[in-house]
Amino acid sequence: DTGVSQDPRHKITKRGQNVTFRCDPISEHNRLYWYRQTLGQGPEFLTYFQNEAQLEKSRLLSDRFSAERPKGSFSTLEIQRTEQGDSAMYLCASSLQLAGLGHTGELFFGEGSRLTVL
Amino acid sequence: RKEVEQDPGPFNVPEGATVAFNCTYSNSASQSFFWYRQDCRKEPKLLMSVYSSGNEDGRFTAQLNRASQYISLLIRDSKLSDSATYLCVVNMAGTYKYIFGTGTRLKVLA
Repeated sequence: DTGVSQDPRHKITKRGQNVTFRCDPISEHNRLYWYRQTLGQGPEFLTYFQNEAQLEKSRLLSDRFSAERPKGSFSTLEIQRTEQGDSAMYLCASSLQLAGLGHTGELFFGEGSRLTVL
Repeated sequence: RKEVEQDPGPFNVPEGATVAFNCTYSNSASQSFFWYRQDCRKEPKLLMSVYSSGNEDGRFTAQLNRASQYISLLIRDSKLSDSATYLCVVNMAGTYKYIFGTGTRLKVLA
């Protein structure tokens, strides 16, 4: 399978625990995005990377959230001291920026990591 | 005001009907626009980009109205398989951040 993969697919944790999600993008894609989606809402932007550089982070993202893409390939999203309000689907997407041609705009999403905080 | 707004629906239409969705955006400097489709419990997938001159892909037509800051999606001859949530997506000028609307839910009835 050459699509975006996310792990774990489901995570149940107790309030106050830390959780980490991993995303493996499509191999040649240089941009990687994290979104959060709750029931009945569209995906909410969290952050994105161009290669290993984190270029933008949502103001909605508290200090408890951190994302990395250390080698410009896979990425991790860590949530510290989870709260019940963190329960959501965490979606990763990747895309390819073609030099000189701008951005195609097509985001390829993984199936998501569903977090439930008890 | 939300950056991208959509009527959440649901829109329940019979097979064969024509249905249209609108989406408004607040940032007049927005530069790229898209419609994504999301099936229940699945990830979003690109349906089509929206160009200034409007564009058509089979039964689907997308239009952009920059003056009024809205985009639309028209689906003709609806099929049962068109049942899904349609997400309006806007690229904010100067960034590669893509903002999604809440989505409009469509149910095509037999």
